[in-house]
Amino acid sequence: NAGVTQTPKFQVLKTGQSMTLQCAQDMNHNSMYWYRQDPGMGLRLIYYSASEGTTDKGEVPNGYNVSRLNKREFSLRLESAAPSQTSVYFCASSGTGKYGYTFGSGTRLTVV
Amino acid sequence: GIQVEQSPPDLILQEGANSTLRCNFSDSVNNLQWFHQNPWGQLINLFYIPSGTKQNGRLSATTVATERYSLLYISSSQTTDSGVYFCAGRADSNYQLIWGAGTKLIIKP
Repeated sequence: NAGVTQTPKFQVLKTGQSMTLQCAQDMNHNSMYWYRQDPGMGLRLIYYSASEGTTDKGEVPNGYNVSRLNKREFSLRLESAAPSQTSVYFCASSGTGKYGYTFGSGTRLTVV
Repeated sequence: GIQVEQSPPDLILQEGANSTLRCNFSDSVNNLQWFHQNPWGQLINLFYIPSGTKQNGRLSATTVATERYSLLYISSSQTTDSGVYFCAGRADSNYQLIWGAGTKLIIKP
């Protein structure tokens, strides 16, 4: 019963490099989300996907792209990393009903 | 506007004490949830509680939707309860969760 799985857990990038954060859920949830959390702050929504085949911008989408590959997988891509993107990234999913959101364990990204 | 406000912002207690954390939410926010972020950064969904009362061990939560507030109760606190407790509600207008600023709880042994 894995829930939401994110990879990698840690990553260091140089400014200008690109990378993709992977996220997969096994709960048959329709909706998936990418958040970032800066030190001492709450979570801010980057992008979300209400259902397979749809994606929408959240509060802080600039510098990011997403792909909802299928119902299980939702990836986040940084095309040209900047130091301002140093943060902890969380993927989450939600279905209908009583269980609310489930979060992955996070990816700690440092851009130098 | 759409708001979720938490109090207190910080709370320091001795092990064994009880605590109550509060979350006020504005109109157009529903489907309240409580999360615990432990000192290692992991986010755990504690309760999905749009209304009513739920209990899970030493933790319980009550949401009074008509009065726009939710309470999280922690009884007989343990050091492992330390961390930041967030409440969040889903905005009626879209799928986004609106987050409170969190309550940082420190339980001293």
